[in-house]
Amino acid sequence: GQNIDQPTEMTATEGAIVQINCTYQTSGFNGLFWYQQHAGEAPTFLSYNVLDGLEEKGRFSSFLSRSKGYSYLLLKELQMKDSASYLCAVRDPASGAGSYQLTFGKGTKLSVIP
Amino acid sequence: DVKVTQSSRYLVKRTGEKVFLECVQDMDHENMFWYRQDPGLGLRLIYFSYDVKMKEKGDIPEGYSVSREKKERFSLILESASTNQTSMYLCASRASGGTDTQYFGPGTRLTVL
Repeated sequence: GQNIDQPTEMTATEGAIVQINCTYQTSGFNGLFWYQQHAGEAPTFLSYNVLDGLEEKGRFSSFLSRSKGYSYLLLKELQMKDSASYLCAVRDPASGAGSYQLTFGKGTKLSVIP
Repeated sequence: DVKVTQSSRYLVKRTGEKVFLECVQDMDHENMFWYRQDPGLGLRLIYFSYDVKMKEKGDIPEGYSVSREKKERFSLILESASTNQTSMYLCASRASGGTDTQYFGPGTRLTVL
């Protein structure tokens, strides 16, 4: 099984930097995803980490430490449109069906204020 | 452009009704998923399918069944809807291999009265 924890809500100021943390306790691990979900819309893929270290993609970066069971999503130069929920998801290789499942955290609702 | 579509954005049904939620993807993906999303509980996996006519239970399959007769279509069935099945239902699909990104449909907001 998987246990994934992330803060419920965060608030940050336009133009600032915010870090959203995710910790996980898993029986198996084969990668971690971050998704963005605007209110009333479907989640969209942001990033994927399977090895330790930082993955940078424009204003967004994601970090993984497998030994610590820890990841964070870093958002720079915040814009109002970044107000959304951010979902951390762990890939579990042990589905027993030749495929795998994603287990999602409950999401962090980020509010960007002027 | 990848595309996952769901038959309805909003649906209102009565307790005891049989409900069909349809999902279609045009990316030739092998894997398809049904989730429900509730405030404070996040996304929870109901069922998934890794091939035509194959299905696997997720974390919360009780009260649901699924059908995958064609590769592009994955249906979620509520045999007898209950009020506790009021939720947002999200379908997703994914290829096998690579970074295996899951693509989500727009969701169906189901209300059971």
